[in-house]
Amino acid sequence: RKEVEQDPGPFNVPEGATVAFNCTYSNSASQSFFWYRQDCRKEPKLLMSVYSSGNEDGRFTAQLNRASQYISLLIRDSKLSDSATYLCVVNPGGNQFYFGTGTSLTVIP
Amino acid sequence: DVKVTQSSRYLVKRTGEKVFLECVQDMDHENMFWYRQDPGLGLRLIYFSYDVKMKEKGDIPEGYSVSREKKERFSLILESASTNQTSMYLCASRLPSSYNEQFFGPGTRLTVL
Repeated sequence: RKEVEQDPGPFNVPEGATVAFNCTYSNSASQSFFWYRQDCRKEPKLLMSVYSSGNEDGRFTAQLNRASQYISLLIRDSKLSDSATYLCVVNPGGNQFYFGTGTSLTVIP
Repeated sequence: DVKVTQSSRYLVKRTGEKVFLECVQDMDHENMFWYRQDPGLGLRLIYFSYDVKMKEKGDIPEGYSVSREKKERFSLILESASTNQTSMYLCASRLPSSYNEQFFGPGTRLTVL
C-alpha cells in the first residue's frame, strides 16, 4: 500500500467554482501534513501546512481527519492562476516525507 | 527568503559517465534532501543529510551517492549514469523538526543517452 494516495485528476473547473481534493495516508502515527503547489516544470512550493484544527488562508482551506486518515484542500472562487498540480505531503516523523503523485487542476475561463 | 540553487537546469550525459549534481542553500539549514520526480511516481527520496558529513539512504539510493562537506552544499553523484536515471532531480532543505516545511531548488532535468 502506498504511504500517500491522491486522485491524479485532472480536475477541470470553471472560474469561480469551488473544488476539493482529498489525500489519504497509511501511517496513523503521522505527525505533520502539508499541501504544496507545483507549476509545470517548476519546483514544488509550500501552499499551506495542515493543522489538526483545520486552517484557512484566503480562498484555501485545509482539513485533517485523523480518524479516517485523510487530509483535504478546498479552493473557493477558483482563479485561472490556481491551475497547477497540488501535492499532498505527509511526515510520519523524523526526516522522511512522503509525497502524493499530485492532483492536476485546470481552471477554465 | 530561503534560496536553494542547483548547478544546472538541464543536463545531458551519456551512459556510463559520472555525473555530479550540486545543491546550495543559503539559510543555514541542517537538513538537506535529494529527490527524483517521475511521472506517475511522484517525488521519491534518494538520500538525505541531517548535518555536515551525515547522510542516510532514502527509498531509492541504488546507483547514487552523496557528499556533504559543508553545511550549505549537498552533492548528488551518479557513479555510472544509466538511461533509467533520466529524471527531474530536486534538492530541498529545511530546519529540523517535523513541522518545518521543505524548500526546494528549481530542479535539474537530467537526460542520460
